[in-house]
Amino acid sequence: QQQVRQSPQSLTVWEGETAILNCSYEDSTFDYFPWYHQFPGESPALLIAIRPVSNKKEDGRFTIFFNKREKKFSLHIADSQPGDSATYFCAALTGANTGKLTFGHGTILRVHP
Amino acid sequence: ETAVFQTPNYHVTQVGNEVSFNCKQTLGHDTMYWYKQDSKKLLKIMFSYNNKQLIVNETVPRRFSPQSSDKAHLNLRIKSVEPEDSAVYLCASSLRDWGYAEQFFGPGTRLTVL
Repeated sequence: QQQVRQSPQSLTVWEGETAILNCSYEDSTFDYFPWYHQFPGESPALLIAIRPVSNKKEDGRFTIFFNKREKKFSLHIADSQPGDSATYFCAALTGANTGKLTFGHGTILRVHP
Repeated sequence: ETAVFQTPNYHVTQVGNEVSFNCKQTLGHDTMYWYKQDSKKLLKIMFSYNNKQLIVNETVPRRFSPQSSDKAHLNLRIKSVEPEDSAVYLCASSLRDWGYAEQFFGPGTRLTVL
């Protein structure tokens, strides 16, 4: 059962553009939504996370927009750089007392110079 | 150095063999995880331990068994591997904080089953 859906599967943008990655979820009890990124040959690492008490979370060029009513959230990467090229995974905390994260299928982002 | 360490980096074996993977974290965390990342990069949790106690046990074949000697170590044994077990196995750890804590991943063990 797919609890976290992610789109697009891949995304190509030019350097300087804003990349937008989207996710949706099904269970309204989920209350923590992190984004992880994974560079080729490396392990996933936390990028930024949000809880539904907020509808926006910023960290430098990275912003999460959260829509609780529609059960959707997105990652915006402003002024994209070639070094941002990686696979980005959204996730949802589906087990609050266990730390269990359910990940989306990932978006492969390519930023062309 | 504080991090999550995994051994081996790679393992190639044949169908039916038994394999074991080791994971150690020196971050002082109390919760550890095993994930499977398939060829399409899909990350799926398999097991989670908190202070040596199993707290998450996803629907995985019974040939997979985790083993924890203390909160800093979590190993994974696979009895009689199958071709579909070929994947990267990632170990992670976190400090239990009602689930909101960042998970730190190890470098992974790539398993190839011939």
